[in-house]
Amino acid sequence: NAGVTQTPKFRVLKTGQSMTLLCAQDMNHEYMYWYRQDPGMGLRLIHYSVGEGTTAKGEVPDGYNVSRLKKQNFLLGLESAAPSQTSVYFCASSYVGGRAGTEQYFGPGTRLTVT
Amino acid sequence: AQSVTQLGSHVSVSEGALVLLRCNYSSSVPPYLFWYVQYPNQGLQLLLKYTTGATLVKGINGFEAEFKKSETSFHLTKPSAHMSDAAEYFCAVSDADKLIFGTGTRLQVFP
Repeated sequence: NAGVTQTPKFRVLKTGQSMTLLCAQDMNHEYMYWYRQDPGMGLRLIHYSVGEGTTAKGEVPDGYNVSRLKKQNFLLGLESAAPSQTSVYFCASSYVGGRAGTEQYFGPGTRLTVT
Repeated sequence: AQSVTQLGSHVSVSEGALVLLRCNYSSSVPPYLFWYVQYPNQGLQLLLKYTTGATLVKGINGFEAEFKKSETSFHLTKPSAHMSDAAEYFCAVSDADKLIFGTGTRLQVFP
């Protein structure tokens, strides 16, 4: 099993450009999550999904959109990138949500720089 | 709302010394608690978790953590540090469909 994979690994954007980050998991997990990681701030949840066709806002959703058209994929979009979105983005998945005590499995991350 | 606080953003120990990373949580319901490790330029991987039952939880790589309800703590320990333990460690608490992460503690191990 590949687990959780993320595409691309690195990307440099100019302010105002758009892009989509792809997350894929092969564990048949229902729940998927997008986080950003910034120095000193830990992981902050951007958006998440509790199943195919669903999305929900996390702690820092502004400037991002997501879609979960297929159970195994979770896309994160930046419509008009800003320097404040320079970060490392992680995708994660879990069989069920946190209330059941199940852990999340993380991808390797995407390092995004917006100039 | 649930939250976690990790005391100390950086911890330095000598190889062979005790490792102690602190985590305190706030939860309105019985919590599920997790410790994750992140090696440089990698994603997070689970070290251990507490759900119910035994309050002393053993994880991978010789780490363990003890759930203390009276102190609302879930500190991570390892009796003898190894150079390969140098990484960033995150404590997390369950919150409905999500996990809430602490801000992390970077562990340095000196020879």
